[in-house]
Amino acid sequence: AQKITQTQPGMFVQEKEAVTLDCTYDTSDPSYGLFWYKQPSSGEMIFLIYQGSYDQQNATEGRYSLNFQKARKSANLVISASQLGDSAMYFCAMQVRRGKLIFGQGTELSVKP
Amino acid sequence: AAGVIQSPRHLIKEKRETATLKCYPIPRHDTVYWYQQGPGQDPQFLISFYEKMQSDKGSIPDRFSAQQFSDYHSELNMSSLELGDSALYFCASSRDSSGANYGYTFGSGTRLTVV
Repeated sequence: AQKITQTQPGMFVQEKEAVTLDCTYDTSDPSYGLFWYKQPSSGEMIFLIYQGSYDQQNATEGRYSLNFQKARKSANLVISASQLGDSAMYFCAMQVRRGKLIFGQGTELSVKP
Repeated sequence: AAGVIQSPRHLIKEKRETATLKCYPIPRHDTVYWYQQGPGQDPQFLISFYEKMQSDKGSIPDRFSAQQFSDYHSELNMSSLELGDSALYFCASSRDSSGANYGYTFGSGTRLTVV
């Protein structure tokens, strides 16, 4: 079965510090993609970063980086230099071949001033 | 850059009424997906279309139907609405290439409230 697990329902981080949001996945398909999305209270789903299963290097997008450990089936999101505007719900999602995204339960991040 | 357009942004309906949600994908995107996100939950896949044909189906109630038109826009039709249908409905689009999906982009969502 294909599954995404986010074990941190809520996280706190001090402004300007780094934070890691955990994500593990399960699939037997060798070809898959992993996404992270940010969902602020307004509700829109904002794409942050993508990692393909065959990508050799960890993905980075500005302050976001993805710590991809294929053998451990983990795809943790690292946010550096947290900002107050980073407070939101964060979803990890997996896509296998042509198709739908399977989402984790989400992690609510709160950035403290 | 053009994004995925969903309309309406907000919709209030009474029980047993019908609702139609519209989605306009990014130009040249050939795949459209619909998701339902209940309060405090993660998005759940409903249905998808590739080149105007249904390509996958998730936990979509029989009361719901969807289609993709010749101009690639898609509509989600919901009948006999129930209180439990109150949710945020997302549409996403992507471009299929060599079995991988690129540019997977979500619209801003339609917030449906059933009263």
